[in-house]
Amino acid sequence: NAGVTQTPKFQVLKTGQSMTLQCAQDMNHNSMYWYRQDPGMGLRLIYYSASEGTTDKGEVPNGYNVSRLNKREFSLRLESAAPSQTSVYFCASSSRDLVGVAYEQYFGPGTRLTVT
Amino acid sequence: QKEVEQDPGPLSVPEGAIVSLNCTYSNSAFQYFMWYRQYSRKGPELLMYTYSSGNKEDGRFTAQVDKSSKYISLFIRDSQPSDSATYLCATQPLYGGATNKLIFGTGTLLAVQP
Repeated sequence: NAGVTQTPKFQVLKTGQSMTLQCAQDMNHNSMYWYRQDPGMGLRLIYYSASEGTTDKGEVPNGYNVSRLNKREFSLRLESAAPSQTSVYFCASSSRDLVGVAYEQYFGPGTRLTVT
Repeated sequence: QKEVEQDPGPLSVPEGAIVSLNCTYSNSAFQYFMWYRQYSRKGPELLMYTYSSGNKEDGRFTAQVDKSSKYISLFIRDSQPSDSATYLCATQPLYGGATNKLIFGTGTLLAVQP
């Protein structure tokens, strides 16, 4: 049981290049999320997918697109990278707890992206 | 005003000290409170969660929620160097629905000195 996995771990892009960050979970969770983490800003939600086939914008969606490929996989695409997108990106997935009315999120190890 | 405020620290304490980490929140609809621990260059991991006001204990860790003052605390007893990490508080409405979106504080960096 690997939990949430992310690839790549590190990436350096030039301004204007594109790339896709991959995320997969093996916990049979319905919901998946992409966050970025910047110093002093905490975790900010970029996009989320409540279930397979649905995606919605979070707090900071500009410059990003997502695809929920199937229940396991949720990818984040930067079409034209900008220096402001230099950050650490975390994918997370969510389950229902034992009571059934609240949720816990499980995070991947992160992707460190630098845009020059 | 941010929905969840957290002192970023850093907080440095000697080994064995009692640590108090705190957050405040502004929305009374928030009912579900969590603490995540994040080691350097790792993803956050859930440490504790609670639904209601009062205390919840797990080993050396105690989570406390005071809904009347919208204040969340995490206490660490007999702190160890292995507790050195960033601690993030998080909250959401009890019935978060399918979206399950969490609101995170910015995190407090804790260093426990041996």
